[in-house]
Amino acid sequence: SYVLTQPPSVSVAPGHTARITCGGDSIGSKSVHWYHQKPGQAPVLVVYDDHDRPSGIPDRLSGSNSGNTATLTITRVEAGDEADYFCQVWDNGSEHGVFGGGTKLTVL
Amino acid sequence: QVQLQQSGPGLVKPSQTLSLTCAISGDSVSSSRATWTWIRQSPSRGLEWLGRTYYRSRWYSEYASSVKSRIVIKPDTSKNHFSLQLNSVTPEDTAVYYCARGIITTYRFDPWGQGTLVTVSS
Repeated sequence: SYVLTQPPSVSVAPGHTARITCGGDSIGSKSVHWYHQKPGQAPVLVVYDDHDRPSGIPDRLSGSNSGNTATLTITRVEAGDEADYFCQVWDNGSEHGVFGGGTKLTVL
Repeated sequence: QVQLQQSGPGLVKPSQTLSLTCAISGDSVSSSRATWTWIRQSPSRGLEWLGRTYYRSRWYSEYASSVKSRIVIKPDTSKNHFSLQLNSVTPEDTAVYYCARGIITTYRFDPWGQGTLVTVSS
């Protein structure tokens, strides 16, 4: 089955840029979606189809995807960005949804 | 604005059946552009896609191989909701269960239900 690999944690100072990676075999050929999840809450979609944002998501969040790595970039990081971030793809081979293990973003 | 509202018990005994329902507002369970999905989350398994139901001229249900022998996801068009049944549960099925809408064609999940913590314990 398809596997997505994320770093367990990323730390960044306020105002700086955070980059969260999601690795997978030829992930650049798939559409990658990103979610954030705050404690006790359900995941919320923040980037879809590699780089598109749902309405209401600030343009400080952006996505890219190429080769074996997709990246979620958060510029001008704020305390409110602190959350767990998950990547997700649809695996056409198994016809299953697949999630990465999640990355905890800590704002120092 | 689409909203999903989950309901069902938070405690299930081992070997019994876990049953949850997800009520849809702002969309239709029969939508040709959506799939209706159950996902669970636990510390040991992370986020795990369990399965989905959807309508494309007829009803389909598809399941994760890890639970395929024990799971049923089905729609109820009269109530515009869909349900999850997971049979023969064990403590390993303890998790927060979410319903979510999957959107064609790349199947992002948006929105999600509020989540239900289901504990399997005697």
